[in-house]
Amino acid sequence: SQTIHQWPATLVQPVGSPLSLECTVEGTSNPNLYWYRQAAGRGLQLLFYSVGIGQISSEVPQNLSASRPQDRQFILSSKKLLLSDSGFYLCAWSQGNEQFFGPGTRLTVL
Amino acid sequence: AQKITQTQPGMFVQEKEAVTLDCTYDTSDPSYGLFWYKQPSSGEMIFLIYQGSYDQQNATEGRYSLNFQKARKSANLVISASQLGDSAMYFCAMGEHTGTASKLTFGTGTRLQVTL
Repeated sequence: SQTIHQWPATLVQPVGSPLSLECTVEGTSNPNLYWYRQAAGRGLQLLFYSVGIGQISSEVPQNLSASRPQDRQFILSSKKLLLSDSGFYLCAWSQGNEQFFGPGTRLTVL
Repeated sequence: AQKITQTQPGMFVQEKEAVTLDCTYDTSDPSYGLFWYKQPSSGEMIFLIYQGSYDQQNATEGRYSLNFQKARKSANLVISASQLGDSAMYFCAMGEHTGTASKLTFGTGTRLQVTL
């Protein structure tokens, strides 16, 4: 069966520091991968998606970037965090219509 | 642009009763998908049910059913025989197909509280 992992689970970072969140999927090959952000008390907003290695599409202009160095690995990065980057970051995968989400990373920028 | 509207910020239901969570959508695409997810306090997003825009029958998954009314652009979630464990945030989402990927647009959610 397929599983999706995210780490770290929680992260507290100072403003201006770099960021690297990792997402890996097991039990499937060539999945579509997605990064979403959920602000407190809000719905999810799609940030990036990828249909293959090295292929990244950005949905909203922001302080973040994404990379897909391997088929089942998706990384979310920032060179300098802003206070507004705080939130709950969720990675998801799909191969058909349904999307399945990872456990999420709760990021607090102070 | 796609838009999802959930007008109920919070709902209460008694255990063993049925409850309907409302969702309306707006899109100009002829092909789309509608999703419901459950988010408990732990934060994980749990997939519940999917309805394709061309599906003739309403989707059902166990105690969950999706009341799809295409002309009204509504996709309400019906939970039958509510359980205490159903207390959570519920999100409606619409998928826009871009090649092989499906980009989801989410509503603001409905917080469901199941009471004894």
